[in-house]
Amino acid sequence: KAGVTQTPRYLIKTRGQQVTLSCSPISGHRSVSWYQQTPGQGLQFLFEYFSETQRNKGNFPGRFSGRQFSNSRSEMNVSTLELGDSALYLCASSFSGQPQHFGDGTRLSIL
Amino acid sequence: EDKVVQSPLSLVVHEGDTVTLNCSYEVTNFRSLLWYKQEKKAPTFLFMLTSSGIEKKSGRLSSILDKKELFSILNITATQTGDSAVYLCAAFLGSGGSNYKLTFGKGTLLTVNP
Repeated sequence: KAGVTQTPRYLIKTRGQQVTLSCSPISGHRSVSWYQQTPGQGLQFLFEYFSETQRNKGNFPGRFSGRQFSNSRSEMNVSTLELGDSALYLCASSFSGQPQHFGDGTRLSIL
Repeated sequence: EDKVVQSPLSLVVHEGDTVTLNCSYEVTNFRSLLWYKQEKKAPTFLFMLTSSGIEKKSGRLSSILDKKELFSILNITATQTGDSAVYLCAAFLGSGGSNYKLTFGKGTLLTVNP
């Protein structure tokens, strides 16, 4: 069974740009969650989608948004990038919420 | 505010040693406690604990949850260099079929020297 697939693996952007990250969950999983991982803050919850509906959102500014498609694939968008957005962005999927299985992440660097 | 605290933050041991990693939590709408192992990339799922006092085992790893005292421990016996990683503890929260999320601790960096 294929795992969670995230693309791209690495991304370099400059301040003010926007970026879209993609996540394909494990086949059959309908819940997709996104997390930001930084050395200082650790893993922090961004949002969770289930059957195309956002069920929960973390404490991040409105520049961070996401969506889920009918095939359960999800995208995350960050607009007006700031230096502090440099992080590893992890996507996790589950059938109904737990346990969550993670992808390898997208390493985003802001110059 | 939901909080998960892990200790120690880092640990260096020799191969063959036994280690105990700690995780305490203060959260609302607790549903389960999960342990993950993170090497260079994706956190890998180890255990999910929902009931107090029932030990879960997988090879040399075991874990137990105490819902009264709000903590969990992860034990690794006969450590090997391949056990070197960051071990993450997370509380899964949610109520009424919504508001699901994992709240993570900062992790314990385990280094096993040959």
